[in-house]
Amino acid sequence: SAVISQKPSRDICQRGTSLTIQCQVDSQVTMMFWYRQQPGQSLTLIATANQGSEATYESGFVIDKFPISRPNLTFSTLTVSNMSPEDSSIYLCSVTSGVAKNIQYFGAGTRLSVL
Amino acid sequence: QKEVEQDPGPLSVPEGAIVSLNCTYSNSAFQYFMWYRQYSRKGPELLMYTYSSGNKEDGRFTAQVDKSSKYISLFIRDSQPSDSATYLCAIIQGAQKLVFGQGTRLTINP
Repeated sequence: SAVISQKPSRDICQRGTSLTIQCQVDSQVTMMFWYRQQPGQSLTLIATANQGSEATYESGFVIDKFPISRPNLTFSTLTVSNMSPEDSSIYLCSVTSGVAKNIQYFGAGTRLSVL
Repeated sequence: QKEVEQDPGPLSVPEGAIVSLNCTYSNSAFQYFMWYRQYSRKGPELLMYTYSSGNKEDGRFTAQVDKSSKYISLFIRDSQPSDSATYLCAIIQGAQKLVFGQGTRLTINP
């Protein structure tokens, strides 16, 4: 399985600011995914990021709020823009790797608190 | 109706007990079923996955899918305190979109 590193691991931000979260993988992967896990809730897919194309966003998530970059096959960023307290969540990236293309492996997540 | 429903618990059992965790899903077209384990302040890690119906066993863990009733289960035998975590069921929708249940928080008491 792939080894996934996320930065920062946690942050406390002020309302109205933006935070960029980085996801680095130790091997080249085709698909990377960004999820949100709100307090006491399960994981919800924000978008799928493929290298060389625009990210595909799920219903309820828009590019202006969550811009994503995917400059190469080992790296992606998610920006949470113009933050409000409702954006306080854990943000996780995942990748599919290896022969079992349906299996997703997750990073440790970024804990975001917005004041 | 949610696509995947899971009792959030919390569930607390004594060490050595058999644990049963369950989910229901709405769409009979789903084929891939996953169980992830998430320790506090960590990302989810894949425990088991099954394709279509039947049982799959891995050590103390057994995953079961009953497509006729749209029911998936995870059994943990001889539960250990190290099994204390949140367990998430998930299905694959479409190409590779994972849809998760709410997660069940499990505590194994020594």
